[in-house]
Amino acid sequence: EPEVTQTPSHQVTQMGQEVILRCVPISNHLYFYWYRQILGQKVEFLVSFYNNEISEKSEIFDDQFSVERPDGSNFTLKIRSTKLEDSAMYFCASSSGRAEFFGPGTRLTVL
Amino acid sequence: SQQGEEDPQALSIQEGENATMNCSYKTSINNLQWYRQNSGRGLVHLILIRSNEREKHSGRLRVTLDTSKKSSSLLITASRAADTASYFCATDDPSNTGKLIFGQGTTLQVKP
Repeated sequence: EPEVTQTPSHQVTQMGQEVILRCVPISNHLYFYWYRQILGQKVEFLVSFYNNEISEKSEIFDDQFSVERPDGSNFTLKIRSTKLEDSAMYFCASSSGRAEFFGPGTRLTVL
Repeated sequence: SQQGEEDPQALSIQEGENATMNCSYKTSINNLQWYRQNSGRGLVHLILIRSNEREKHSGRLRVTLDTSKKSSSLLITASRAADTASYFCATDDPSNTGKLIFGQGTTLQVKP
């Protein structure tokens, strides 16, 4: 069964460093998303992406964040200068227009 | 406004019993989805119910949707220890961009 994959599963970084989180969505899906979940809190929407552009972004998704679909299969989330409060699980999701399927997540720890 | 608020926040039952979790939301929706999350793991899609559907089944799962009350319930029948997880409902945002709004979830513990 096709699934969304994410790498790495765990990323540890120093505050101020750049990180890139990678996702491979399900191959025939057209809609892509990033969400995050701070430990013990609810899952929060970050950004949606369709037709090679951002369709919606949340207040969390400030200038430090960017997304890219560099090669037609990968979907990346970049955080330019990480802050302590960026520590969270980051989930990628994809959809063909209805149900959203999530990847296993990347646990980002900012020290 | 908050969407997709679940209750109870925590539920503990014995194996074999049924578990019912409820979700309420505030704005109009196109569909509502239920997800399961094992501790520290990813979100597993369980079931999607459209706004024009009232009930949907998948194995031991039964989901109902009452759009007049803006509420949904997830029933797990004949629960198993492996059902121990957090369960979230998620509603699509009325803006129609596919963005999902999650509640805080219900933590279910099934004791063997």
